[in-house]
Amino acid sequence: DVKVTQSSRYLVKRTGEKVFLECVQDMDHENMFWYRQDPGLGLRLIYFSYDVKMKEKGDIPEGYSVSREKKERFSLILESASTNQTSMYLCASLTSGVFDTQYFGPGTRLTVL
Amino acid sequence: DAKTTQPTSMDCAEGRAANLPCNHSTISGNEYVYWYRQIHSQGPQYIIHGLKNNETNEMASLIITEDRKSSTLILPHATLRDTAVYYCIAERDSNYQLIWGAGTKLIIKP
Repeated sequence: DVKVTQSSRYLVKRTGEKVFLECVQDMDHENMFWYRQDPGLGLRLIYFSYDVKMKEKGDIPEGYSVSREKKERFSLILESASTNQTSMYLCASLTSGVFDTQYFGPGTRLTVL
Repeated sequence: DAKTTQPTSMDCAEGRAANLPCNHSTISGNEYVYWYRQIHSQGPQYIIHGLKNNETNEMASLIITEDRKSSTLILPHATLRDTAVYYCIAERDSNYQLIWGAGTKLIIKP
């Protein structure tokens, strides 16, 4: 089975802190994604990457950056956390092909105080 | 791009078939319909996808109408563990990525 792991299930940070969220997948997938999920808004795509060192902005990239130095690892960075970034963050991976069958990690619930 | 609409919530008795509808009246001929679910406090889980033929796997069946304007996900014998939010997705954004709506909250009752 595909496994996507995220570095933390719960995280509490203070406003202005730099935050790193890490995601690792073990199936050699080319594509990786970061979403945030908020009540009533569904999943919104922040960034995605289709190859090592490649990244593309999603629908809500402001306030975030990403890093993909290795194929299996995709990091989301909040340069200066703000309270409106309190959310559930979900990482997903997907192999290249016709179908969008994404595999998701368990999520990180980030609270910014 | 297709826009999907789903009921906000549904109930189903344990052991019965749960039928979750989805409308995607503007779907184009080459767009697939995907179903995922998200159990509380977990990441979404892929269930099934289809183009125009009905599909079945170990988790569910997917019935797509002939005109492809709607589909129904069927969980044949619902259990309490099937309580989750179910997402029907057939729409893409400008980056060609799937757009996730609010889904249907399915509650299985004992």
